[in-house]
Amino acid sequence: AQSVAQPEDQVNVAEGNPLTVKCTYSVSGNPYLFWYVQYPNRGLQFLLKYITGDNLVKGSYGFEAEFNKSQTSFHLKKPSALVSDSALYFCAVRGDNYGQNFVFGPGTRLSVLP
Amino acid sequence: NAGVTQTPKFQVLKTGQSMTLQCAQDMNHEYMSWYRQDPGMGLRLIHYSVGAGITDQGEVPNGYNVSRSTTEDFPLRLLSAAPSQTSVYFCASSYGAGTTTGGELFFGEGSRLTVL
Repeated sequence: AQSVAQPEDQVNVAEGNPLTVKCTYSVSGNPYLFWYVQYPNRGLQFLLKYITGDNLVKGSYGFEAEFNKSQTSFHLKKPSALVSDSALYFCAVRGDNYGQNFVFGPGTRLSVLP
Repeated sequence: NAGVTQTPKFQVLKTGQSMTLQCAQDMNHEYMSWYRQDPGMGLRLIHYSVGAGITDQGEVPNGYNVSRSTTEDFPLRLLSAAPSQTSVYFCASSYGAGTTTGGELFFGEGSRLTVL
């Protein structure tokens, strides 16, 4: 079975500081890992994905994520947070032997304080 | 391209009523799916389809029906609405039926349903 954990319900960070949103996963087979962002009353927007290759993946709006196979983690990072980054962030996983269905984490609310 | 379009955006139902949430995509995606979003629970898969004429159940299918007569459309039907079905519903699609593409999901803007 596939599962995703986001251990923090809420992350607060000051504008200009680096941010990290944590994600760990469990999946049989090789993982396909994704981060999505949701702004209030909107659908989810794709940020980045890890399929294969370099463990550091760069995505939209200056976000990046590091895949760590030994720790089964895929933490989302940004060097300098903006107030406009405040939103709900979801990590998702799909195993390469599990068809196309995704499993989403519960979400982490990021608040960037001015 | 409009992407994934969901209608209606808001709906209030009484217990026992039925309704259909519409979803259409113009990206020629083979895979389409319906999720419900509830606070603190992330997104849970209701039903999905890997192509026209093919549907299957997800994690929480009870009380919902789907059909996929065309590549573009994937409606979700609530047969007899219950208060437990109060939620925000998202339709999502992706390209690539094969498992090696890692295709990301494209989401609609959501449909907020309240069942009284």
